[in-house]
Amino acid sequence: SAVISQKPSRDICQRGTSLTIQCQVDSQVTMMFWYRQQPGQSLTLIATANQGSEATYESGFVIDKFPISRPNLTFSTLTVSNMSPEDSSIYLCSVEVLSGYGYTFGSGTRLTVV
Amino acid sequence: SQQGEEDPQALSIQEGENATMNCSYKTSINNLQWYRQNSGRGLVHLILIRSNEREKHSGRLRVTLDTSKKSSSLLITASRAADTASYFCATDASGSGSRLTFGEGTQLTVNP
Repeated sequence: SAVISQKPSRDICQRGTSLTIQCQVDSQVTMMFWYRQQPGQSLTLIATANQGSEATYESGFVIDKFPISRPNLTFSTLTVSNMSPEDSSIYLCSVEVLSGYGYTFGSGTRLTVV
Repeated sequence: SQQGEEDPQALSIQEGENATMNCSYKTSINNLQWYRQNSGRGLVHLILIRSNEREKHSGRLRVTLDTSKKSSSLLITASRAADTASYFCATDASGSGSRLTFGEGTQLTVNP
C-alpha cells in the first residue's frame, strides 16, 4: 500500500482567506481523490485529480471554490478559497495504488474557519 | 445523497462482545469496502469484498455481501477497547471510474 503525507494536519483560518492543502504520495498513482468530511458526517467526494488534465468535480463542488493542482504522479494540492465558517471540515486525499485492494488515505486536514 | 446507509448509527458494547454493523447501497457495484476512522483522522482500509464474493475474513473481521439485497455486514469478534472508532462502508459502483461512495458510518464504542 502507499504512504501519503498530508499537510497541514490542522489550521484555523480567517473567513475570506484561502488555504492550500498538500498531499505527497510515495508512489506514482494515476488518480488522486479529494474528500470533505463535515463535522459528525461521512465523507463526500469533492473531485478526482488526474495528472496532466483538469480535475473532475462532483455535483455541488466547483473549481473556483476548490481549485486543484496535479503537477505530477505523486503530488496534488487542494485549495479552499474565500473561506466561510461553513467550510470548516476535515479534508482528505486518497489514492488507489492497486485496483481492487482498497484505497489509502492521508491523515486529514482539520480546517476551522472563524 | 450517499450511496450507502449504515446501521446502527452508534453501537456501544463491552470488551469481548461481538459487534455487527450493516450497510445498504443502491446501485450495482464492483466491490464494497470497509474503513475505520479514529477520532476524525485519516481512514484505514480494513477489508474489500468483490461483487462475486459472499463472505470474507481477515483476523477478527468477517464481512458478508448480499448483492440481491444490496447489503453488507461487518462483524468484529472478541472486541477490544482499541476497536473504538467510526466504521464506514464504501462502494465502488460499476461505471464510477473508481470513485468511492461512503455510507453514513457507525460509531462503535467498546467499553473496557
